[in-house]
Amino acid sequence: AQSVTQLGSHVSVSEGALVLLRCNYSSSVPPYLFWYVQYPNQGLQLLLKYTSAATLVKGINGFEAEFKKSETSFHLTKPSAHMSDAAEYFCAVYTGTASKLTFGTGTRLQVTL
Amino acid sequence: SQTIHQWPATLVQPVGSPLSLECTVEGTSNPNLYWYRQAAGRGLQLLFYSVGIGQISSEVPQNLSASRPQDRQFILSSKKLLLSDSGFYLCAWSRGLGETQYFGPGTRLLVL
Repeated sequence: AQSVTQLGSHVSVSEGALVLLRCNYSSSVPPYLFWYVQYPNQGLQLLLKYTSAATLVKGINGFEAEFKKSETSFHLTKPSAHMSDAAEYFCAVYTGTASKLTFGTGTRLQVTL
Repeated sequence: SQTIHQWPATLVQPVGSPLSLECTVEGTSNPNLYWYRQAAGRGLQLLFYSVGIGQISSEVPQNLSASRPQDRQFILSSKKLLLSDSGFYLCAWSRGLGETQYFGPGTRLLVL
């Protein structure tokens, strides 16, 4: 079975501070991992994905994530938060044992001045 | 390039009325298609997916049904809406199972 856990349903950071959104996955086979962003009243947009190539994946808008097999983690980071980063972020996993992506419950990022 | 459309953007319906939400994809052929529901304060729930015309897989038993009458058209329906059907409905497509899913703009449904 495949699953993802996003720690922290709400995260608040100051503008210019480091953004760290946590995602841990459960899988018995090598996974594909995704991060999506959702702005209010919009669909989801792909930020980045890991498909067994480089463990450090760079995405759009300055975000990146590192696949750590030993920790079963795929945390999303950005060195300096911007007000426009305020949104909801979803981690997702695919392993081939299920015919679908499995999404986490999401983390809402708030950026304050 | 590929685009995905959903309509309507918003919908307010009385309890017991029928529902039809439409999703179409342009710029690709034989996509996998998905319907998700996002209830307030909750994550994404996969409702249906389709790997081809007339092929529908249901993920959870519910008051809804889906159909795929054409290669790039996916319809979500209900004969009688319930209050619990309120939510944000998202359609998505992918080239294959496990590949990146691309989402439409969503339909916000309020059942009163």
